[in-house]
Amino acid sequence: KNQVEQSPQSLIILEGKNCTLQCNYTVSPFSNLRWYKQDTGRGPVSLTIMTFSENTKSNGRYTATLDADTKQSSLHITASQLSDSASYICVVSPFSGGYNKLIFGAGTRLAVHP
Amino acid sequence: DTGVSQNPRHKITKRGQNVTFRCDPISEHNRLYWYRQTLGQGPEFLTYFQNEAQLEKSRLLSDRFSAERPKGSFSTLEIQRTEQGDSAMYLCASSLFRVGQLSGYTFGSGTRLTVV
Repeated sequence: KNQVEQSPQSLIILEGKNCTLQCNYTVSPFSNLRWYKQDTGRGPVSLTIMTFSENTKSNGRYTATLDADTKQSSLHITASQLSDSASYICVVSPFSGGYNKLIFGAGTRLAVHP
Repeated sequence: DTGVSQNPRHKITKRGQNVTFRCDPISEHNRLYWYRQTLGQGPEFLTYFQNEAQLEKSRLLSDRFSAERPKGSFSTLEIQRTEQGDSAMYLCASSLFRVGQLSGYTFGSGTRLTVV
């Protein structure tokens, strides 16, 4: 079973609309949770990083929330733009002492249409 | 460009051939990671280095795979006797690890391998 589950698998929205992507995880205990944006054929780019004690983190039009009790996170995109079309990946790092292993979700593929 | 650089961007090879990929990390980063990503999935960890030392290898890294970071700077990932199942995007990332601090990871654009 995947330790990081994302929903929906894919999403289509119109330019200018808002959307929210979900991430549920079972990794425990965990150190931090990250959201990445990955354009087709490119490497992931970091959007937000939250430690287990943080509830929300914003980066421009991107706002991530974290509920460590329910092991859920969300990424809210405001006033979407065509350039937001990409895969959005939720990544959780467990406490591991040394290497902060990154456990990736499968991503949500977002398409923003004009 | 001070990001993570990967070469080549694309590689098509025949089954059974050997291939080698190169990753040049951000110069001040002491950790370097290799990941493999297949279509519709998130990246999967393969191995990582701190400076020149390879500290962890995933079970995904079979005997046909070998990675090096000889001088603690660039790294190479070699796949011997390639199989069709090796077709994937191979991503490299680097980070500056400091004890007690949260590290940001910078990814390269990847090398897409197609084994025919």
